[in-house]
Amino acid sequence: KAGVTQTPRYLIKTRGQQVTLSCSPISGHRSVSWYQQTPGQGLQFLFEYFSETQRNKGNFPGRFSGRQFSNSRSEMNVSTLELGDSALYLCASSTRDRSYGKLFFGSGTQLSVL
Amino acid sequence: KNEVEQSPQNLTAQEGEFITINCSYSVGISALHWLQQHPGGGIVSLFMLSSGKKKHGRLIATINIQEKHSSLHITASHPRDSAVYICAVVPGGGADGLTFGKGTHLIIQP
Repeated sequence: KAGVTQTPRYLIKTRGQQVTLSCSPISGHRSVSWYQQTPGQGLQFLFEYFSETQRNKGNFPGRFSGRQFSNSRSEMNVSTLELGDSALYLCASSTRDRSYGKLFFGSGTQLSVL
Repeated sequence: KNEVEQSPQNLTAQEGEFITINCSYSVGISALHWLQQHPGGGIVSLFMLSSGKKKHGRLIATINIQEKHSSLHITASHPRDSAVYICAVVPGGGADGLTFGKGTHLIIQP
């Protein structure tokens, strides 16, 4: 069974641009959650989608958004990039929503904003 | 706001030693996750628990809901156990997403 796939693996953008990251969950998993990891703040929850509905959203500005498609694949978008958005972005999939099930993480997308 | 505190922040031990990592949180939770992150970023879920104790191989996780405390134990530690161990809590009611501790950086020397 294939694991959680995140693309791209690395991304370099400049301030003001926007970026879209993709996450393909394990087959049969309906929950996809997104996280930001930085050396200073550690891991922080961004949002969770379950069956195409956003269930939870973390304390991030509106520039961070996401969506989930009918095949459970999810995308997150960051508009008007800032230097502080440089981070490792991780997604995780699960069979249950609201983090009540075992989480399976992707390898992440390393975003650098110049 | 739920605060999650892990201790110690850094731990270096010799191969074979018994390891304990602690996690304390400030408000009621529905469940708690223990995660392992190796250099390079990959995160693996070790346990999810809401009460009592779970064991998998050399790893044991316990939680005391009344005391708002969980521990992760590693028996007969091995250099391959070297990683960052992260505690994450599911706030009560599941209305918010995971809140993470800062992690414990564990190094097991041969």
